[in-house]
Amino acid sequence: GAGVSQSPRYKVAKRGQDVALRCDPISGHVSLFWYQQALGQGPEFLTYFQNEAQLDKSGLPSDRFFAERPEGSVSTLKIQRTQQEDSAVYLCASSLGRHLATDTQYFGPGTRLTVL
Amino acid sequence: KQEVTQIPAALSVPEGENLVLNCSFTDSAIYNLQWFRQDPGKGLTSLLLIQSSQREQTSGRLNASLDKSSGRSTLYIAASQPGDSATYLCAVRIQGQAGTALIFGKGTTLSVSS
Repeated sequence: GAGVSQSPRYKVAKRGQDVALRCDPISGHVSLFWYQQALGQGPEFLTYFQNEAQLDKSGLPSDRFFAERPEGSVSTLKIQRTQQEDSAVYLCASSLGRHLATDTQYFGPGTRLTVL
Repeated sequence: KQEVTQIPAALSVPEGENLVLNCSFTDSAIYNLQWFRQDPGKGLTSLLLIQSSQREQTSGRLNASLDKSSGRSTLYIAASQPGDSATYLCAVRIQGQAGTALIFGKGTTLSVSS
C-alpha cells in the first residue's frame, strides 16, 4: 500500500517568506509526527497529533512554527517569516498509535527546506 | 532529559565483515527502542523494534539487543554488503508532555566497500 508522502520534496525560500509543508499519512493511521533534521544530525521531535488533536507541540522551536491536522488525516506544517536557521529536512511520520510498546512509526521522504 | 548517543559516528569496513553499532541512552523509562536506516536524500526505514520488556530482535542478517538497565543497545550486522551502506539511527520512544515522541541519536554512517 501507499506509504507516507510529503510535498514538496524541495523548497527554496527567501528569508522572511512563509512556507507550508504537506504530509499525507498512511490511511488509517491515528498518530502523526513532525520532526526536523539538520545536516549531520538525528531527527528532532517537533509536534504530535492524535487524529485532529495536537497533543504535544513542545518541540516547535518558536511561535513562527505552526502545525495543523484539521480532519485527522493530512497535516500541514507552516513556518512564518523563515530564517536561515530553519534550513533543514522536515520529516513526517505516522503510526497506528494503538499500543505504544509496539507502535512503529513510518516515515515519509521528507521536505528539504533551504532558506536563502 | 533523555539523551541518545551513537558510537562510532562513522565506520568503514570491507564486504563480508561482521560489525556492531552501539547506542546508549540516559533514561531507562522507555516504551521501546528502534533502529532505523536512512539513505541519502530519503526518509527513514524501520529495521527493528525492541519492546522495553524484550532483550533482542532479529531480522535476516540484523540482530538488535537491548539492555534497558544499563541504557545500551547494539545492532549487529552479519556478513556486510555494499548495499548496507547508509546511516543507521537509534531512537527511543518516551513519554512526552502529553503524548509520546522518538528521541534519536545522531547516527552512525556505514560504508561497506566491495
